[in-house]
Amino acid sequence: QSALTQPASVSGSPGQSITISCTGTSTDVGAYDFVSWYQQRPGKAPQLIIYDVKNRPSGVSNRFSASKSANTASLTISGLQAEDDADYYCSAYTTSATWVFGGGTKLTVL
Amino acid sequence: QVTVKESGPALVKPTETLTLTCAVSGFSLSDAKMGVSWIRQPPGKALEWLAYIYSDDTRFYNTALKSRLSISKDTSKSQVVLTMSNMDPMDTATYYCARYRHHNWFDPWGQGILVTVSS
Repeated sequence: QSALTQPASVSGSPGQSITISCTGTSTDVGAYDFVSWYQQRPGKAPQLIIYDVKNRPSGVSNRFSASKSANTASLTISGLQAEDDADYYCSAYTTSATWVFGGGTKLTVL
Repeated sequence: QVTVKESGPALVKPTETLTLTCAVSGFSLSDAKMGVSWIRQPPGKALEWLAYIYSDDTRFYNTALKSRLSISKDTSKSQVVLTMSNMDPMDTATYYCARYRHHNWFDPWGQGILVTVSS
């Protein structure tokens, strides 16, 4: 199972919006609506921010939104804040009943 | 409050078998569709999913590592154990366990345990 494809890095200024893409195949991202996103701050464990393509867990800011089209999922962060500076990973459930993560995207808030 | 915590050796030698334990609290390993998954992260690199086990004892493994991995649970002790055989320096990573809801998410994650493979 190959890793999902994410841009290595994105950046934006405070207040701006950015979008991170996550491209897979018809056997993972495109197969089901079981795509999730995780935020990992430096030196910390990842934290769930989106599940089932577009759902936010309780306590996650509504500045985080996500969607999916065919084999590509996307995470959008609006109103960028300094605290959003982190690595972001997508993950998808596959037709083999396994999971695959993306290569990660480093978000820099300028 | 749901918590998960990893424990195990910080250092293993090449060819040895790694045994990691995930202790959970705040939920039961018999709760429907709930379980534990293991994910690892080599230093400076991306996350890699390893395995999961959930309520009805269903378990699945990373295809590339399947021959080396074994996951099991002890519901009465609220623990999940992952073993990885024939360890190699390339397996040096932080190993995380996380509560797993089948199909949906990994949440929360433990703090992780750094395992170094070196002679």
